[in-house]
Amino acid sequence: SQQGEEDPQALSIQEGENATMNCSYKTSINNLQWYRQNSGRGLVHLILIRSNEREKHSGRLRVTLDTSKKSSSLLITASRAADTASYFCATDSGAGSYQLTFGKGTKLSVIP
Amino acid sequence: SQTIHQWPATLVQPVGSPLSLECTVEGTSNPNLYWYRQAAGRGLQLLFYSVGIGQISSEVPQNLSASRPQDRQFILSSKKLLLSDSGFYLCAWSVRLPGTEQFFGPGTRLTVL
Repeated sequence: SQQGEEDPQALSIQEGENATMNCSYKTSINNLQWYRQNSGRGLVHLILIRSNEREKHSGRLRVTLDTSKKSSSLLITASRAADTASYFCATDSGAGSYQLTFGKGTKLSVIP
Repeated sequence: SQTIHQWPATLVQPVGSPLSLECTVEGTSNPNLYWYRQAAGRGLQLLFYSVGIGQISSEVPQNLSASRPQDRQFILSSKKLLLSDSGFYLCAWSVRLPGTEQFFGPGTRLTVL
């Protein structure tokens, strides 16, 4: 079954605006990760947030995690055309699992 | 630094033909290796993962198989392709720790006609 579910499915914004994507999951996790995929390419890891963390920053990225609501958000500030891509959340299943379960992704379009 | 290679980049195959996709990792030892499939506009479906040579875990019953003949080599195979095998196949590696980040290859676009 799908663990992470992102919303919205698609988001279109103007360059310079902020973009917020959300992820919900169903079971307990040890950590949650966000990845980016440019069209036709492999995924690139952006950021990992552990279950005991509430917020994490990396450059223009800000990730929050609310384990009580089983949800996370990814904020990209001051977006650029080069941020156009699909963004996926991925969760582990705890209990020492090596596997990650990916959501269906949010397709972000940043219009110059 | 570590790199991951996949080939071929694109492949068009007739229904019923065999398949072999190869993935190799450089610059690391004893990695976990993963095969995913991504349907158009969809998320990633984990097909197989391996924690060592000859050790393969299958996540989804299907027309595919995987092998790991060497530490840093992971092969995805099929004896007879189906139309439903079309998709974007991604190989990834991670260190052998639970829940760590995964590093993805460039992918293979497979079209079965």
